[in-house]
Amino acid sequence: NAGVTQTPKFRVLKTGQSMTLLCAQDMNHEYMYWYRQDPGMGLRLIHYSVGEGTTAKGEVPDGYNVSRLKKQNFLLGLESAAPSQTSVYFCASHHRRLSTDTQYFGPGTRLTVL
Amino acid sequence: GESVGLHLPTLSVQEGDNSIINCAYSNSASDYFIWYKQESGKGPQFIIDIRSNMDKRQGQRVTVLLNKTVKHLSLQIAATQPGDSAVYFCAETTGGYQKVTFGTGTKLQVIP
Repeated sequence: NAGVTQTPKFRVLKTGQSMTLLCAQDMNHEYMYWYRQDPGMGLRLIHYSVGEGTTAKGEVPDGYNVSRLKKQNFLLGLESAAPSQTSVYFCASHHRRLSTDTQYFGPGTRLTVL
Repeated sequence: GESVGLHLPTLSVQEGDNSIINCAYSNSASDYFIWYKQESGKGPQFIIDIRSNMDKRQGQRVTVLLNKTVKHLSLQIAATQPGDSAVYFCAETTGGYQKVTFGTGTKLQVIP
């Protein structure tokens, strides 16, 4: 198993540009999450999904959209990037039936918006 | 402009000693509480979790204590090793891991 993978690993955008971050997991997990982490801070939940075709807002959803068209993929979109969205983005997944199983994280995507 | 991040609290511990990392949580309806370890440049790594109806849970060299009265969570690491140096985050969940939100982190420095 590859676990949780994220594409791309690094990206530099100009203000106003758009992009999509891809998260993929091969563990057949129902739950998936997108977080952002700013320097010296904890992770903040952007959006999450409890199954294919469903998404929900987290703590900081503004400026982001997500889609879960396939169970294994969770996409995070920035329609019009702003410098405040410069951050490291982490995706994670979790198996619904195994309540005490671990939440697996991807390696992160480092995004800079100029 | 450049965002200003908060400085994480730091706990310095001598190698071989026990470490205790504390966390205050906010939601009394949370059903699980989790501890994560994050090494520099990597994603968080699950350490241990505890269900809200428990007070204590032990793992390998780690113990988590939950005090619901004061909404307090702690992680105890026995015989701290240099490899334990990292930032530790607590997190809480609702709906059985449906929504997982992180708390503040603590940087653990192990002095050889």
